[in-house]
Amino acid sequence: DGGITQSPKYLFRKEGQNVTLSCEQNLNHDAMYWYRQDPGQGLRLIYYSQIVNDFQKGDIAEGYSVSREKKESFPLTVTSAQKNPTAFYLCASSRTVSGGDSYEQYFGPGTRLTVT
Amino acid sequence: GQQVMQIPQYQHVQEGEDFTTYCNSSTTLSNIQWYKQRPGGHPVFLIQLVKSGEVKKQKRLTFQFGEAKKNSSLHITATQTTDVGTYFCAGRVSYNTDKLIFGTGTRLQVFP
Repeated sequence: DGGITQSPKYLFRKEGQNVTLSCEQNLNHDAMYWYRQDPGQGLRLIYYSQIVNDFQKGDIAEGYSVSREKKESFPLTVTSAQKNPTAFYLCASSRTVSGGDSYEQYFGPGTRLTVT
Repeated sequence: GQQVMQIPQYQHVQEGEDFTTYCNSSTTLSNIQWYKQRPGGHPVFLIQLVKSGEVKKQKRLTFQFGEAKKNSSLHITATQTTDVGTYFCAGRVSYNTDKLIFGTGTRLQVFP
């Protein structure tokens, strides 16, 4: 059964702690993405990766870090430097653009992070 | 920076009424995609429009891409309670990037 998994679904942390969110896909997609969604708002891109061992900052990368050591995995670390980390985090993957064609993104179920 | 705005932000309709959401980009887009997010869920891809002036239909949903490739719309005919959710447009600004810029979304509530 192909898809994207994110774990855990809910995560609670104390302020000042780093926390890593997991994202795994078995769709054989080259591209992976992390978005942040705040209540009643759209999706804002944190980081994306179009190939293993390479990633690019999105619009709100400050206070976050990522790695892409394997095609299937794209973990996101929310560091203590992130001022307002409480949010819903969505991971997505897609095929990469090719010959002018572009492809839809498949989203995981999300992780709801609460930092107090 | 590049922005994609959607209006309205919220729409409440009676079941059976029509609904339209509009998406406007500050820059020309190479293509545009539409996603639906049910309450408590994650975005799910609906459709992609690529050509200037393109119109596509999926049952009661009609999608349009503007002639200048800077705006798009989604129209739902005769809404049903299953249409409840937030609809996002997402634009690609370049042919050689996977990066999408998501719109602000329109939340649709349908009353039976």
